[in-house]
Amino acid sequence: AQSVTQLDSHVSVSEGTPVLLRCNYSSSYSPSLFWYVQHPNKGLQLLLKYTSAATLVKGINGFEAEFKKSETSFHLTKPSAHMSDAAEYFCVVSLNSGGYQKVTFGTGTKLQVIP
Amino acid sequence: DTGVSQDPRHKITKRGQNVTFRCDPISEHNRLYWYRQTLGQGPEFLTYFQNEAQLEKSRLLSDRFSAERPKGSFSTLEIQRTEQGDSAMYLCASSATGWETQYFGPGTRLLVL
Repeated sequence: AQSVTQLDSHVSVSEGTPVLLRCNYSSSYSPSLFWYVQHPNKGLQLLLKYTSAATLVKGINGFEAEFKKSETSFHLTKPSAHMSDAAEYFCVVSLNSGGYQKVTFGTGTKLQVIP
Repeated sequence: DTGVSQDPRHKITKRGQNVTFRCDPISEHNRLYWYRQTLGQGPEFLTYFQNEAQLEKSRLLSDRFSAERPKGSFSTLEIQRTEQGDSAMYLCASSATGWETQYFGPGTRLLVL
């Protein structure tokens, strides 16, 4: 069984300040972890993914995430928020089960960036 | 544009009517997924195809729902006798065998009146 918990449904930051979106996961085996972003009226876009290589993963638009097995966390960070970062962010856990990729999404975190 | 496409983008229907959605995956991707997303929630898995074979179905997929991928390329999702609870965004994603990253289409937003 696998699950993912996004600890904050809404996060509000000022433009130019750091962003932290929290994600904890549960999985019986070593999963792959992803962050996707969804802008209003647009499709889900992959930000970054962890697949058992380096624990610090860099993604697009200056985002990065660190896989911490001991804490079962995969928090998303960005040093300086931009207005265009306002969107909904989903943490995703993926596990290969019998040749099928079982994917579980978190409930999402809406990021508001204040000018 | 060579991404995943979905048609229609929006659909309004009356309760009890049947609707069909189409998904065209990235051409070299042999895996295709359908998800449903309701307001305030993350996408929930519905079903999965490897080529033309439907290999997994969620318990969310009631007998009113049917999905096909007849030639292993595009896929259709049909909902029969729609109910107001079917109102949601229906998302399609595709991936290549051996690659875990799924690429999502823009979705079809369904409103059942």
